[in-house]
Order: sequence, then structure tokens, then C-alpha cells
Amino acid sequence: GAVVSQHPSWVICKSGTSVKIECRSLDFQATTMFWYRQFPKQSLMLMATSNEGSKATYEQGVEKDKFLINHASLTLSTLTVTSAHPEDSSFYICSARGGVPRGYEQYFGPGTRLTVT
Amino acid sequence: DQQVKQNSPSLSVQEGRISILNCDYTNSMFDYFLWYKKYPAEGPTFLISISSIKDKNEDGRFTVFLNKSAKHLSLHIVPSQPGDSAVYFCAARGNSGGSNYKLTFGKGTLLTVNP
Repeated sequence: GAVVSQHPSWVICKSGTSVKIECRSLDFQATTMFWYRQFPKQSLMLMATSNEGSKATYEQGVEKDKFLINHASLTLSTLTVTSAHPEDSSFYICSARGGVPRGYEQYFGPGTRLTVT
Repeated sequence: DQQVKQNSPSLSVQEGRISILNCDYTNSMFDYFLWYKKYPAEGPTFLISISSIKDKNEDGRFTVFLNKSAKHLSLHIVPSQPGDSAVYFCAARGNSGGSNYKLTFGKGTLLTVNP
């Protein structure tokens, strides 16, 4: 149990375009979903936290108008990178937490490699 | 300011031996600690966790020890297997009272288990 999927697994886009990444919890209801970014040889950096049906909470330094997060249902959250630039190229990972009784562990998706040319 | 530190970027051990991965933290408000394993180009996989009210938690070959006074935890893998080769992240959860309980991650330690 506790499977989280992401789509797409990798994407290449041109500078100035927007890209949407989907995160789904397949076998549990995710009350909270998290979006992380990882640069090579670096730790996971939390970008934002979203609860179903409410606005996402962004970490300091993360532009909310650039990284749009929608948590429309208990099994789906989306991250849209708007007007992407080469510096947005990174590995984006989502995670989901189901809360009690599943517990507070976060279950991660496989990640999405974004390359902006 | 890095609140969760994994000071060893890499560790190499022989198959069958013990692997010990260390993690230090600075925030005394952390009340729950987790270890994740990550392969390249994949998301982290939850391994084992420990609450701050305990000092040891064991699950098969994996044992996590917590020393609250030293703000230190460690993950022991016995016996180590080649398939354990991956990056291991230590993570801590704060008890800020908020509902999100976000995790703070260390930078990871690359474990290589040699056959």
C-alpha cells in the first residue's frame, strides 16, 4: 500500500512555456501533499504544502505565481511551472500523507525530471 | 541554517558487515524522525521511523537509535547487502502545532555495499 505516482516521469520544454506535473495517491486518501525540488547532490527542498480544497502554503523564497499548486481532490495534486526558464530545470518530487490511521509518514512519488531548453 | 545534518556524504562497507549512518539535528522541537532510501532518478522510499519518546526502533535488518541529549540518531543495517546501496536521507518532523508537520531533510549519505 501507500503508492504515489507522478506523471510525467520526465519532460523537456522550451523556455517560456508552462508544464504541469501530476501527483496521485493510488491506494489512500492524501489529506496533505508536499512538493519538493532536488538539485544534483543536494537535499530535498520543500517547495510547498497543500491540503485538499485549500490554498497551498509556500516555503520562503518559492514564487507562488510561478509554481502553481492545485490540490483538487484527496488523491490528486498538480504542480504547474509557469513560464519555465532553464534555471527551473530540476527533479521535482511529490509526497503524500494520509494522516491517522495511516500515520504521519510521507510517501513519495517517483519524481519528474524537468529540463527547460 | 541546516537543522538536519548528515556529515558523511558517503560510506562504503563490505557485504555482510554493519552499516552505520549518522544524523545530527539542532532543533529541539523535532519530535519524530524518519529514514528514507533513495535510488537515482526515483523518489525516496520510507524505511523506518522513531518517535522522540523512544530511543530505539527495530525492523528486520534496520535499527534506528535516537540519543535526544546529543541530538543524534543513527541507522544500523545488519547485515548489509549490495541491494542496500543507495542514498539514505535522515528527516525530522517538527512539533510546531501546525497540521502539516513538514519534514526537514538532511543532505543524504551515499551508501555503497561491496560484494
